[in-house]
Amino acid sequence: DAGITQSPRHKVTETGTPVTLRCHQTENHRYMYWYRQDPGHGLRLIHYSYGVKDTDKGEVSDGYSVSRSKTEDFLLTLESATSSQTSVYFCAITPGTTGNTIYFGEGSWLTVV
Amino acid sequence: KQEVTQIPAALSVPEGENLVLNCSFTDSAIYNLQWFRQDPGKGLTSLLLIQSSQREQTSGRLNASLDKSSGRSTLYIAASQPGDSATYLCAVRAGGGNKLTFGTGTQLKVEL
Repeated sequence: DAGITQSPRHKVTETGTPVTLRCHQTENHRYMYWYRQDPGHGLRLIHYSYGVKDTDKGEVSDGYSVSRSKTEDFLLTLESATSSQTSVYFCAITPGTTGNTIYFGEGSWLTVV
Repeated sequence: KQEVTQIPAALSVPEGENLVLNCSFTDSAIYNLQWFRQDPGKGLTSLLLIQSSQREQTSGRLNASLDKSSGRSTLYIAASQPGDSATYLCAVRAGGGNKLTFGTGTQLKVEL
């Protein structure tokens, strides 16, 4: 195991409510990522972080925000959930150099009704 | 913009067969390419990582090759087993940071 814990693992929420997903790592890796996986689209990067309080947008960042106040935690927030955000969300980590393997968490299944 | 394609989307083979999964990418300026396995309802598990300077990597019954100039990689699985049934994804890390671009995967079923 790569020492990545995602919570919650499954959640059903209503349209318009805020939702926060948490990723916790025990590896002290510098880079952390949030991806979403949808049929026909593969994995798409939402946001990533390259250090505490250092974050940047990915290709599908609209409607999402992130925060990283500690090395080990990376939070993904849906400010006002929509049905199009129903998806599986994966957190990933990597030490930082471009040659390193990336490791994934087990995923968080989110359904917005 | 980097695009990664995996063909076929699904593949069914009898147990014991050797097989090849394909991955192609549009921008050859990559740092590395990684192959992953994903079981239903699970996260991605890294299988092999090939650096841009390498031609291939091997792990057990798996062999991955990389041809940067043609924008192609293959994952060879020898003597397939039912336990190999899963979705296999490739991802490339291109210039400008640590971000990966993923293909949509090949769903493999190995039948008894």
